[in-house]
Amino acid sequence: GDSVTQMEGPVTLSEEAFLTINCTYTATGYPSLFWYVQYPGEGLQLLLKATKADDKGSNKGFEATYRKETTSFHLEKGSVQVSDSAVYFCALSGGGSARQLTFGSGTQLTVLP
Amino acid sequence: NAGVTQTPKFQVLKTGQSMTLQCAQDMNHEYMSWYRQDPGMGLRLIHYSVGAGITDQGEVPNGYNVSRSTTEDFPLRLLSAAPSQTSVYFCASSSGSWGYSNEQFFGPGTRLTVL
Repeated sequence: GDSVTQMEGPVTLSEEAFLTINCTYTATGYPSLFWYVQYPGEGLQLLLKATKADDKGSNKGFEATYRKETTSFHLEKGSVQVSDSAVYFCALSGGGSARQLTFGSGTQLTVLP
Repeated sequence: NAGVTQTPKFQVLKTGQSMTLQCAQDMNHEYMSWYRQDPGMGLRLIHYSVGAGITDQGEVPNGYNVSRSTTEDFPLRLLSAAPSQTSVYFCASSSGSWGYSNEQFFGPGTRLTVL
């Protein structure tokens, strides 16, 4: 079945550092790929998405490119802020299996001032 | 718009008790789903619905029941609570019957502890 593998956390960075969170996937067909973010005590919210190969999703300074050849969707941000501290989830849907969203295990990011 | 609302926010149960977690959305979304979140495991789908009267099982459905009598409401029932059901439960909704491929809107979650 479909699966998503994220780099393990927690990740701790200083403000203004460069962020990369790795995400690779296994899926049949042509899935859509997502990054969701969960701030402390809240539900998840969509950060960005990409629906086909070579698409780049972007939002709030975060970017991720859908790489079919490497089955990856790594999240990057050039300069993180304290307010970016949260848990980040990579997810996929529509890979050909059941009508559901498949999540990675999440990566906890802490940004220090 | 209130979005997706869940009640209660916190609940403690004893083994064997039953209860219903409530979920409602006011966005007229067709697709609704329930997830549980456990440390190190991400979110796992319990049940989902593509419209009123239509439900289906997700990855971890055992011990849970759902029904969808209206577009707005999608309650999750725990039939006989077990300690393994201690978790944080999230309800989500999205537009269209293929809503799993669209943006999911999540509720604030219910933290359930089973003793």
